[in-house]
Amino acid sequence: NAGVTQTPKFRVLKTGQSMTLLCAQDMNHEYMYWYRQDPGMGLRLIHYSVGEGTTAKGEVPDGYNVSRLKKQNFLLGLESAAPSQTSVYFCASRVGQTNNEQFFGPGTRLTVL
Amino acid sequence: QQPVQSPQAVILREGEDAVINCSSSKALYSVHWYRQKHGEAPVFLMILLKGGEQKGHEKISASFNEKKQQSSLYLTASQLSYSGTYFCGTELDSGYALNFGKGTSLLVTP
Repeated sequence: NAGVTQTPKFRVLKTGQSMTLLCAQDMNHEYMYWYRQDPGMGLRLIHYSVGEGTTAKGEVPDGYNVSRLKKQNFLLGLESAAPSQTSVYFCASRVGQTNNEQFFGPGTRLTVL
Repeated sequence: QQPVQSPQAVILREGEDAVINCSSSKALYSVHWYRQKHGEAPVFLMILLKGGEQKGHEKISASFNEKKQQSSLYLTASQLSYSGTYFCGTELDSGYALNFGKGTSLLVTP
């Protein structure tokens, strides 16, 4: 099992450019999440999904869109990148609600110039 | 909804004990604890559920006070490998996602 994988690992964008971050899990998990991590801010939830075809907003959704067309994949899109979106992005998944741990991907370091 | 962690940082000598606290203003269903090493992803340590069930690490213990919506992580006889940032994640009764605190940086020195 590869667990949770993220593509790409690093990316540098110019302001206004767009990109998509891919998260994939091979554990047949229902729930998937996107977090961003900034120094001193902890992990903040951007969007999440509780099943294929469903998405919901988290704490900091502005400027991001997501899609869950397949159960194993969760995509995070930035339509027009801004320097404030410079961050480390973590994807996570878990079986479902109740007493189950979240498994995190290795992260994507994004810099917006 | 972000839980509050304390302290923000702690420095220990190997073998000493530490307590990290996590509190929420809302009624919680569960509290999760994770540890993150620099440049790596967070790694699961423990879950505490409403009602007292606990799942997780052998060498690290935790408590969950449902009345106060507070959890504490107890690190006893700390080892160098315990160094890292500890995050609590809280889940509401009606929630589907964890909200994480800002983290507690722990440094264990020889």
